[in-house]
Amino acid sequence: DAGITQSPRHKVTETGTPVTLRCHQTENHRYMYWYRQDPGHGLRLIHYSYGVKDTDKGEVSDGYSVSRSKTEDFLLTLESATSSQTSVYFCAISDSGAGETQYFGPGTRLLVL
Amino acid sequence: AQSVTQLDSQVPVFEEAPVELRCNYSSSVSVYLFWYVQYPNQGLQLLLKYLSGSTLVESINGFEAEFNKSQTSFHLRKPSVHISDTAEYFCAVLNTGFQKLVFGTGTRLLVSP
Repeated sequence: DAGITQSPRHKVTETGTPVTLRCHQTENHRYMYWYRQDPGHGLRLIHYSYGVKDTDKGEVSDGYSVSRSKTEDFLLTLESATSSQTSVYFCAISDSGAGETQYFGPGTRLLVL
Repeated sequence: AQSVTQLDSQVPVFEEAPVELRCNYSSSVSVYLFWYVQYPNQGLQLLLKYLSGSTLVESINGFEAEFNKSQTSFHLRKPSVHISDTAEYFCAVLNTGFQKLVFGTGTRLLVSP
């Protein structure tokens, strides 16, 4: 299995509080991605990174920000959590974008009350 | 813009029966195609992928998928399913030259004895 960990694995928070999710990889892969998974929507890309300090938006980026200060870490921040951000969040990595397999982490289950 | 359609949200089947999970995509450019599988409470794992060459691709556990450019389809098939194949299956498309996978909404395969 690709060396990807996510923390925390489960989190319950209240509306309006900031939340940061962490993705850590030991594979030295260039690309890192954050997805959210919701019933009936499959996986949707939130943000992705193509290198240290290089990030771009996905299709559902509103309300989320990311940072990548090191190759191995990609942080997803919900500045002010809302109930609509209750979801399962997955991090993924790939060595190059085009055609390369994306390897997924175990996921973080977030509940915003 | 690219998109993926998985028309069947759930497919119930008996053990040892054949199964086909349908996937259609839309894209105006060349694509790479993927099938991922998600077992309960786990992240996604690559099942198989089509990048180029033979239009029939196989996985190590007996699944196969055929890329049909004229039908813009990439259906997943298995001639005889096992209980352990119970999972959710996601089709995904990646435009060549872009870095972002687009996922379908998933098909839940339910195998019963």
